[in-house]
Amino acid sequence: AQKVTQAQTEISVVEKEDVTLDCVYETRDTTYYLFWYKQPPSGELVFLIRRNSFDEQNEISGRYSWNFQKSTSSFNFTITASQVVDSAVYFCALSEVNRDDKIIFGKGTRLHILP
Amino acid sequence: EAQVTQNPRYLITVTGKKLTVTCSQNMNHEYMSWYRQDPGLGLRQIYYSMNVEVTDKGDVPEGYKVSRKEKRNFPLILESPSPNQTSLYFCASSLHRVTGELFFGEGSRLTVL
Repeated sequence: AQKVTQAQTEISVVEKEDVTLDCVYETRDTTYYLFWYKQPPSGELVFLIRRNSFDEQNEISGRYSWNFQKSTSSFNFTITASQVVDSAVYFCALSEVNRDDKIIFGKGTRLHILP
Repeated sequence: EAQVTQNPRYLITVTGKKLTVTCSQNMNHEYMSWYRQDPGLGLRQIYYSMNVEVTDKGDVPEGYKVSRKEKRNFPLILESPSPNQTSLYFCASSLHRVTGELFFGEGSRLTVL
């Protein structure tokens, strides 16, 4: 069965610290996609990144980076030099090519960046 | 501007009074979906649609109905709302179910008394 686990329910760090949000997934499929979404306090949900199962290259976008490791079924998200504007709930999600048509979200990690 | 529009954004209703939350997208996306967000439970999929006239149940479909008569619209219908349907609802669309990122509406906060 599909499953996405974000074990960290809530994290608080002081501004400028680095922080990593964990995402562990379960799938029987060999072809799948992983996503991260951000939900700031204003409530909207915003796409951050997509990664397919055949591309294990790490991705960096400014202060954000993502580490995809198939060996550990993880797709972790790191924010470097965090800022108050990074405070949000972050969701990891999984979709499979050959299974049913659902997209499974983790329960989210609420990140507090303290000034 | 590419967007997903939901209405109403906020609604307080009473048990048993039928209501519809509308969702419309202007991106010609084939895939559309409804989610509810509850504290501690994350985003749970209610229904989804792969294309016009094609809909299917997500993980929590009980008490909800949907229709997809046009590509752009995907309304969520609560025939007889109950207090356990008090939640924050999001409509989303995507060019492709598997590979495409989801574009979300702004959310509809529903309270059932």
